[in-house]
Amino acid sequence: EIVLTQSPGTLSLSPGERATLSCRASQSVSSSYLAWYQQKPGQAPRLLIYGASSRATGIPDRFSGSGSGTDFTLTISRVEPEDFAVYYCQQYGSSPRMYTFGQGTKLEIK
Amino acid sequence: EVQLVESGGGLVQPGGSLRLSCAASGFSFSSYWMSWVRQAPGKGLEWVANIKQDGSEKYYVDSVEGRFTISRDNAKNSLYLQMNSLRAEDTAVYYCARRMGAFFGYWGQGTLVTVSS
Repeated sequence: EIVLTQSPGTLSLSPGERATLSCRASQSVSSSYLAWYQQKPGQAPRLLIYGASSRATGIPDRFSGSGSGTDFTLTISRVEPEDFAVYYCQQYGSSPRMYTFGQGTKLEIK
Repeated sequence: EVQLVESGGGLVQPGGSLRLSCAASGFSFSSYWMSWVRQAPGKGLEWVANIKQDGSEKYYVDSVEGRFTISRDNAKNSLYLQMNSLRAEDTAVYYCARRMGAFFGYWGQGTLVTVSS
């Protein structure tokens, strides 16, 4: 089973700053099967990035994803007030067929 | 507009059973794999189960295998999760989600299941 480890656990930034969130896999992951989600308090998660680097419908272009193999990154070029939330990476494994999430990175206002 | 509305959560004693439902609208329900994902209070996300469009394939996380059953009724645009032999560690918000390839493209707002005596 692949384990996803996200870092940092908490990221404290001011609006306008650049955010870099990391997701490291215990084994190589196909880029096609790596996604990022945003979750705000009391809300369901929202798909941001799929296939490691493709933005989901309606996601602003300040959000970008990159990486391959075991190291993936979500970047927010300039953090907006509405971006403060928890972010999760997720991968799909074909053998066994299951989905795993990272433990999350909380982006908080500094 | 895609809508997923969960119901059926509540308080149940350890060892008890509960059936969750998810009413889908705004898309062709019978064309998509569907999933349940849960989130324990203050914790991260955990995928629970998947079901194929026609119900012919089902997959579960190891911790619920043999206790939970995912099913669907395409005529009613509905997804279900029958949960038996519930444990305290099953306490969570349960989300219904529409799969988008290897990801979860749409989510409901969730229903809270609390397992406690």
